[in-house]
Amino acid sequence: GNSVTQMEGPVTLSEEAFLTINCTYTATGYPSLFWYVQYPGEGLQLLLKATKADDKGSNKGFEATYRKETTSFHLEKGSVQVSDSAVYFCALTPPGNQFYFGTGTSLTVIP
Amino acid sequence: DARVTQTPRHKVTEMGQEVTMRCQPILGHNTVFWYRQTMMQGLELLAYFRNRAPLDDSGMPKDRFSAEMPDATLATLKIQPSEPRDSAVYFCASGLVRTGELFFGEGSRLTVL
Repeated sequence: GNSVTQMEGPVTLSEEAFLTINCTYTATGYPSLFWYVQYPGEGLQLLLKATKADDKGSNKGFEATYRKETTSFHLEKGSVQVSDSAVYFCALTPPGNQFYFGTGTSLTVIP
Repeated sequence: DARVTQTPRHKVTEMGQEVTMRCQPILGHNTVFWYRQTMMQGLELLAYFRNRAPLDDSGMPKDRFSAEMPDATLATLKIQPSEPRDSAVYFCASGLVRTGELFFGEGSRLTVL
């Protein structure tokens, strides 16, 4: 089957700290992988994506690499800001299929 | 700037009342999803449409919930009768099968008293 497991939260970091949020998946076929971010009171919005093995998605200083051998898609950022405080969702979609979301990881960045 | 539009943004109603939430997907998108988000359960898939046909509504309580796409510009989610446990934020999202990316609306926050 298809599923996503992501790191339990909440995560609290100081500004400029390094961020890693772990995400592993199980999937049939060759899925695309995504990170979505949800700011308070808003809907989810796409942060980055990768469509095949070894692809690296990046946006706004965030990066994630599609690792087929470890079935992982960990989110990283070298220096977080207060404005990065949000809930982060890992997701996958097998080709032509529905989306599978992780449970979300809440990040709070303190000045 | 294309976006998914949901109405109403907020709804407060009493138990037993009918609630209808509407979603206008982005023009040209061929997939539509309805999700429910609560603190306890997180993000739950309620229904999934492709080319207006329902493909998966296994996450939806069938006795009180129904989801339809009367045309390509409108998706509806109806709850009848509503119950306090239905209180949540309901999100609609649309996308293209080809790209796989989903675009979410801002959500409809439902409170059932």
